[in-house]
Amino acid sequence: DIQMTQSPSSLSASVGDRVTITCRAGQTIDTYLNWYQQKPGRAPRLLIYAASTLQSGVPSRFSGSGSGTDFTLTISSLQLEDLATYYCQQSHATPRTFGQGTKVEIK
Amino acid sequence: QVQLQQSGPGLVQPSGTLSLTCAVSGGSISTINWWIWVRQPPGKGLEWIGEVYYSGSANYNPSLESRVTISVDKAKNLFSLRLNSVTAADTAVYYCARESLSTGFPRYDSWGQGTQVTVSS
Repeated sequence: DIQMTQSPSSLSASVGDRVTITCRAGQTIDTYLNWYQQKPGRAPRLLIYAASTLQSGVPSRFSGSGSGTDFTLTISSLQLEDLATYYCQQSHATPRTFGQGTKVEIK
Repeated sequence: QVQLQQSGPGLVQPSGTLSLTCAVSGGSISTINWWIWVRQPPGKGLEWIGEVYYSGSANYNPSLESRVTISVDKAKNLFSLRLNSVTAADTAVYYCARESLSTGFPRYDSWGQGTQVTVSS
């Protein structure tokens, strides 16, 4: 199985801050990397696929980058509604595997 | 846009069988997508359970493979999860999802609402 490691596990930032979450794969996955947002009590929501492609309907303050083993999710200007846990997922191989999640809190 | 509606019991007896269904609306299940089950234990992250194609071909997480079956019913446009010999460790929120394969980059673009399943007597 391909291990996915996110950092940090949690962070606290103010509205308007730039927030960066990193994800590292245990082996190269090209750009087969997805990012999901999960709000409390809700199903996950796809934000970004293919490492950097924004899913339809997702605000442009979200962006993704990276290839190979190292990836980044950036929120350019944090909003109150971005309070959530964020997960990366590799879609290079089966079984699909997720990172452990990064909980984003608002100061 | 495809919508997924989950159904099934929220309480299962230890050593029993967990059974959930996911009904697909707004599109046919017989398309070039995989249909997925994922679970999330309380306070923890997401675990991939397995996937099924409309042909019936399925892949499972090796950690669950001996106990899990995912099947598809094309006539009813739904897919199902069965997990045998459950224990308290199987207590989780279970989600169904669609893995879209368009553009060649698989991703889960539609999700069910989630079902809290508790294993307890």
